[in-house]
Amino acid sequence: DAMVIQNPRYQVTQFGKPVTLSCSQTLNHNVMYWYQQKSSQAPKLLFHYYDKDFNNEADTPDNFQSRRPNTSFCFLDIRSPGLGDAAMYLCATSSDSRSNYEQYFGPGTRLTVT
Amino acid sequence: KQEVTQIPAALSVPEGENLVLNCSFTDSAIYNLQWFRQDPGKGLTSLLLIQSSQREQTSGRLNASLDKSSGRSTLYIAASQPGDSATYLCAVLDSNYQLIWGAGTKLIIKP
Repeated sequence: DAMVIQNPRYQVTQFGKPVTLSCSQTLNHNVMYWYQQKSSQAPKLLFHYYDKDFNNEADTPDNFQSRRPNTSFCFLDIRSPGLGDAAMYLCATSSDSRSNYEQYFGPGTRLTVT
Repeated sequence: KQEVTQIPAALSVPEGENLVLNCSFTDSAIYNLQWFRQDPGKGLTSLLLIQSSQREQTSGRLNASLDKSSGRSTLYIAASQPGDSATYLCAVLDSNYQLIWGAGTKLIIKP
């Protein structure tokens, strides 16, 4: 089945130790998104790629970076995680040529910062 | 600026009851509206998507309606079951192709 896959599902990192979360998709969608969701809050868009074009949200901290080496993969790098970065990180994809921009979500990676 | 509101924030009903969750948005210029389900500590599951030109969508015991002119959507759940307990989020795709989210309704179905 076509899907959005996130690895790992659970990640524990130490304060200040860089961490990378990964997302892959078999949907061949041209748009990929990273969201941060803290407990009992709605998801917050960090950035998205429209094809290879990177779009950063104005309030996304510089501590968060992203890479999209090809259509299928997208990475979220947190350069120096702080305790406040502990959250669920959700990857999503959509297509502008089909499915009318419906976003498909992966299962998420829960990040713990110790 | 688009804002999405979900009322109530929490709802507890006995098993078997039909229920309605509400979602309102301030700007009618939307491309679509999605309803999601989220179990505690889990990711998002898309339940229904309604295009801006549509009035409703149905999937099993779920029915979602959309009234763009009044800025409202409802999610109707028929014959509720304990397994329906979760947080339900609605989100609208705005004119910038961004999802604007409501804060969610936490639903508890009591056996």
